[in-house]
Amino acid sequence: QVQLQESGPGLVKPSQTLSLTCTVSGASISSGDFYWSWVRQPAGKGLEWIGRIYAGGATNHKPSLKSRVTFSVDTSKNQFSLKLTSVTAADTAVYFCAREGDEVNWYFDLWGRGTLVTVSS
Amino acid sequence: EIVLTQSPATLSLSPGERATLSCRASQSVRSDLGWYQQKPGQAPRLLIHDASNRATGIPARFSGSGSGTDFTLTISSLEPEDFAVYHCQQRSNWPWTFGQGTKVEIK
Repeated sequence: QVQLQESGPGLVKPSQTLSLTCTVSGASISSGDFYWSWVRQPAGKGLEWIGRIYAGGATNHKPSLKSRVTFSVDTSKNQFSLKLTSVTAADTAVYFCAREGDEVNWYFDLWGRGTLVTVSS
Repeated sequence: EIVLTQSPATLSLSPGERATLSCRASQSVRSDLGWYQQKPGQAPRLLIHDASNRATGIPARFSGSGSGTDFTLTISSLEPEDFAVYHCQQRSNWPWTFGQGTKVEIK
């Protein structure tokens, strides 16, 4: 059974960099035809797609976040990562990693449990 | 970017009743729309993709319809486990966007 698990600091200071990692278990991140995505959800609000990375390294970003976001993938560790620079309180949210799969025509068919990141001094 | 507007914000119903949720797009998304269910403290779960296709393992009481700008998620007879927040999502145009969600609560 394939599972995703987010990890990273739960508290980040304003202006610093938020760094999260998603570990894929139960399958190789390089197998199959998948995009590996990040989605966030501020408390009480809707979901916001941040962007995605393919195992081969190709990326897509939400334009409004592109200047602050970097994605990477480490196939040896079966992980993909998100870095968000110059954070503010508006970046406080639950961050989910998710998979977009060919079998469901590129919708999000698998999600991590999410991790709360608070931006505060 | 495409804005998805869900209505109503909250739907108060009893178990066994029919739920009808709406998602309207600011421009056509063809049939490139999905629906997700999210329970408190949990990740979303894919219910419907491409407007009307149930994901694997999703009960037949969940159905989706629509195309272009107007979409509907119908739960034919609410079970206790169906009380949750439902999100629509489009993957027709970059960036992918979600609606603000409809909460289905027990009346």
